[in-house]
Amino acid sequence: AQSVTQLDSQVPVFEEAPVELRCNYSSSVSVYLFWYVQYPNQGLQLLLKYLSGSTLVKGINGFEAEFNKSQTSFHLRKPSVHISDTAEYFCAVEELGFQKLVFGTGTRLLVSP
Amino acid sequence: DVKVTQSSRYLVKRTGEKVFLECVQDMDHENMFWYRQDPGLGLRLIYFSYDVKMKEKGDIPEGYSVSREKKERFSLILESASTNQTSMYLCASSLIASGSDEQYFGPGTRLTVT
Repeated sequence: AQSVTQLDSQVPVFEEAPVELRCNYSSSVSVYLFWYVQYPNQGLQLLLKYLSGSTLVKGINGFEAEFNKSQTSFHLRKPSVHISDTAEYFCAVEELGFQKLVFGTGTRLLVSP
Repeated sequence: DVKVTQSSRYLVKRTGEKVFLECVQDMDHENMFWYRQDPGLGLRLIYFSYDVKMKEKGDIPEGYSVSREKKERFSLILESASTNQTSMYLCASSLIASGSDEQYFGPGTRLTVT
């Protein structure tokens, strides 16, 4: 069964600094990978997804993520964060052939001026 | 735009009460999901449905049941609420069975059981 690890529960960063949110997964088969964002008092919305092809995936709001199969990682990056990026970020994985997402425990990004 | 609505944003119930959480989507999606979200645990799947009257258990179905009588509506039922069911409940829907499709989430219902 697949699992997802987000090692950092909270990442504080200053505005305009770069950020990387880490995600590692375990699975014995091919997977789809997702990053979702949850702004305060809202549901989740999709940031980006990796299905196949290029390992560098670009998403909304200037975020991107890179799939690394050998390291089973899918880290999320942004070169310059804004105050409005303050939110909780969830990595999720789905094994091909299944219909269920497995989510990580989330990383709270705190952007300060 | 896809819209997923949940009947209540906040709900307070007493131990032992029967609780209904309603979710409606307006985009003719096949799949619907119920998750609970707890600090430090992320989202965990309770039940999902890939068609009317069809349901599948997720990872934590104990203490819950679901109903899907119409395609657009998916209800989560707590037969006898307990304090350990105090949580944020999120509903989601997706168009097709393929996992490549995005899930669209509602705003959540924060349930407190006292």
